Amino acid sequence: GDSVTQMEGPVTLSEEAFLTINCTYTATGYPSLFWYVQYPGEGLQLLLKATKADDKGSNKGFEATYRKETTSFHLEKGSVQVSDSAVYFCALSGGSTGGGADGLTFGKGTHLIIQP
Amino acid sequence: GAVVSQHPSRVICKSGTSVKIECRSLDFQATTMFWYRQFPKQSLMLMATSNEGSKATYEQGVEKDKFLINHASLTLSTLTVTSAHPEDSSFYICSAPLPGHPSLHFGNGTRLTVT
Repeated sequence: GDSVTQMEGPVTLSEEAFLTINCTYTATGYPSLFWYVQYPGEGLQLLLKATKADDKGSNKGFEATYRKETTSFHLEKGSVQVSDSAVYFCALSGGSTGGGADGLTFGKGTHLIIQP
Repeated sequence: GAVVSQHPSRVICKSGTSVKIECRSLDFQATTMFWYRQFPKQSLMLMATSNEGSKATYEQGVEKDKFLINHASLTLSTLTVTSAHPEDSSFYICSAPLPGHPSLHFGNGTRLTVT
């Protein structure tokens, strides 16, 4: 079945540091890839997505590129802020099996802590 | 095992009727629960945040009179789709944060089909 693997946290960085959260996947077919973010006390929000190979999703200074050759969708940001502290989930949709939601398979989440 | 139980898993109803979906936290108290909607192979969209003892907070564009949320107790939140129409057919899923843990816990979701 489909699966998503992401680095486990917590990941602690200083403000203005460069961020990379790794995400790799296994899936049949041609899935769409997503990054979701959950801020403290809030619900899950879509951060960015990419629907085909070599697509780059971007939002709020975050970027991720759909790399089919390495089956990866790593999340990056050039300069993080304290307000970026949250849990980040990598997910795929359109593969062969569903996960926590219909047709969506989630990674376990990476807890990011940004210190001033 | 599952920490969030959602019921029913599938429901088919006729246009104009109302459908209630339950979300229960098992073995922990959830002062907050989240309700999402998902169209096939698309991303989850947050609909509303359910708060025990107070009114739910709805996301922009979500009709609060159409999607009634009641957080009846510290372990139960319900979503009622009122006067359902075929365009309400979708996959609805709830989640509840486990106190002291950053990870997500989803219910198994409800597939609603309105005919």
